[in-house]
Amino acid sequence: QAVVTQEPSVTVSPGGTVTFTCDSSTGAVTTDHSPYWFQQKPGQAPKALLYDTLNKHSWTPARFSGSLLGGRAALTLSGAQPEDEAEYYCLLSYSGVRPWVFGGGTKLTVL
Amino acid sequence: EVQLLESGGGLVQPGGSLRLSCAGSGFTFRNYAMNWVRQAPGKGLEWVSSISGSGGSTYYADSVAGRFTVSRDDSSDTLHLQMDILRTEDTAIYYCVAGSFAFWGQGTLVTV
Repeated sequence: QAVVTQEPSVTVSPGGTVTFTCDSSTGAVTTDHSPYWFQQKPGQAPKALLYDTLNKHSWTPARFSGSLLGGRAALTLSGAQPEDEAEYYCLLSYSGVRPWVFGGGTKLTVL
Repeated sequence: EVQLLESGGGLVQPGGSLRLSCAGSGFTFRNYAMNWVRQAPGKGLEWVSSISGSGGSTYYADSVAGRFTVSRDDSSDTLHLQMDILRTEDTAIYYCVAGSFAFWGQGTLVTV
């Protein structure tokens, strides 16, 4: 089964920009992996942010954007707010009988 | 408004069984693939199982294959997860997730 890797933690200043990445052990992440991104705050269920690399849900703040960057999926937060402090997870799709793998998550501190 | 309400969690001995349910509302349940995702205490998210909109295709993580069975009852808009031969490492909050992981329930805690 593939392993999906994320940075354990990142810190950003209020108003700053930060990029989270999502790496696959099987090789470059492509649009075929349909990268998803989720935000989870302590004590809450995860919340979907992006799907299929860069598509936003109706509730996703405009400051979040998705892309592919250097063979990885990327989530960029531009203009970080204190309320963005949370854990961020990516999810990749693989062909076969084990089609979904989450990354380990990245803890974002806004400081 | 899409709502997913999980039930059936609780405390069970190793080797035991538990059946989780998830009642969906606010969307056309039968048209959506459904998923189970779990989160062990203090850990990250782990995909557990998925079932297609027709129910004809099911998928399982290696960690639960052969022990868990996912099913759906479109007549009552309900998703189930039958969990057998439970292990201590199955202790987690189990989330019901609709469609392409857009909508999440609040989760139900399973303690083994």
